[in-house]
Amino acid sequence: RKEVEQDPGPFNVPEGATVAFNCTYSNSASQSFFWYRQDCRKEPKLLMSVYSSGNEDGRFTAQLNRASQYISLLIRDSKLSDSATYLCVVNIRGGGFKTIFGAGTRLFVKA
Amino acid sequence: DARVTQTPRDKVTEMGQEVTMRCQPILGHNTVFWYRQTMMQGLELLAYFRNRAPLDDSGMPKDRFSAEMPDATLATLKIQPSEPRDSAVYFCASGPQRPQHFGDGTRLSIL
Repeated sequence: RKEVEQDPGPFNVPEGATVAFNCTYSNSASQSFFWYRQDCRKEPKLLMSVYSSGNEDGRFTAQLNRASQYISLLIRDSKLSDSATYLCVVNIRGGGFKTIFGAGTRLFVKA
Repeated sequence: DARVTQTPRDKVTEMGQEVTMRCQPILGHNTVFWYRQTMMQGLELLAYFRNRAPLDDSGMPKDRFSAEMPDATLATLKIQPSEPRDSAVYFCASGPQRPQHFGDGTRLSIL
């Protein structure tokens, strides 16, 4: 079983739609959580951190449920420019912090 | 803007050849990560360093891969001998703890 699992996608949605991505992690030593975004043939870039209390950044809302070991990302009023792969990321405390990426969920937003 | 710099950007070589990939982390970042990305496996953590010391290289095939940080401004990833299954995009990332910034990647093709 992979340490970080995500919806495989792809998600095809019209502009203006709300879309939700889910992610589960298996290691109880996981300490901190993030969502990254990766455009085609580009490097991953940090989208936002994820906190237990939930956090929002404009149209993006991230949630963490430590008891269920579950992370989510909600995108409201999706734009064409949101088309990308969204990567769920977990920091696992070990000797330092081991950062593990999920396989990603591909999103296509269409006009 | 400070950037993680990776060289070469692209590398095509024949199987059996030695491949060396280089990374210059962002000045002041004490944690450096090497990831490999393929369509099938997504982003896999190969190794990471804190203050130039290797913390975890369990993701790396030890018989042919080696990672070092000869100084704080240079990280290297070597493959010897290379095999076609090593074809992938290799990303270096740096940060205070997590991979905050990624380089553009080295696109490696082993024929």
